[in-house]
Amino acid sequence: QSVLTQPPSASGTPGQRVTISCSGSSSNIGSNTVNWYQQLPGTAPKLLIYSNNQRPSGVPDRFSGSKSGTSASLAISGLQSEDEADYYCAAWDDSLNGRYVFGTGTKVTVL
Amino acid sequence: EVQLVQSGAEVKKPGESLKISCKGSGYSFTSYWIGWVRQMPGKGLEWMGIIYPGDSDTRYSPSFQGQVTISADKSISTAYLQWSSLKASDTAMYYCARVLWFGELSNWFDPWGQGTLVTVSS
Repeated sequence: QSVLTQPPSASGTPGQRVTISCSGSSSNIGSNTVNWYQQLPGTAPKLLIYSNNQRPSGVPDRFSGSKSGTSASLAISGLQSEDEADYYCAAWDDSLNGRYVFGTGTKVTVL
Repeated sequence: EVQLVQSGAEVKKPGESLKISCKGSGYSFTSYWIGWVRQMPGKGLEWMGIIYPGDSDTRYSPSFQGQVTISADKSISTAYLQWSSLKASDTAMYYCARVLWFGELSNWFDPWGQGTLVTVSS
């Protein structure tokens, strides 16, 4: 029962820019910072973006995050074949005594 | 290097109990929250709960409260997720992850363990 909504799929050709949206509410994205995780096929998730727009060391700068109001976005510029993966947004939700919530996930396909 | 290493895959029958583990290394285990995340076959990520090994303070998702128990043994830098009576619907991959916690405003999971596959079948 994800409370953060993402499109189920997105695609692009190598070199293109792809954007993934994440829609929430005032109790999660509207109040707290957003993180993004990348899950390559058959592997554990990996932190991609934290605190809305910060990249951990080692994450290429073609990945960028932004937030406005109760929505957030992840952009992948210069799409590469190794970017084919599932992407999840996430944030703390202040309702129900507090819990961390993940988005529904977006499968990115490189055509 | 900060690392979380989880116990191996399990195959259990409905009604059996199970405890899986997550061993941290490369950092002060008692100074960071550890979380557990479920991923059912072909599905997305679900937050189950977190524990602070320093004092065993624990917070559960309402969806998992009463269904599982999260614990930790700080003497061996290991966190646990356990079930007293498994159901077929518990079949999933379970991940642990260190929580970088700056309050409800800002917190995230990094790094993640490799995952433990739990299969419950008669």
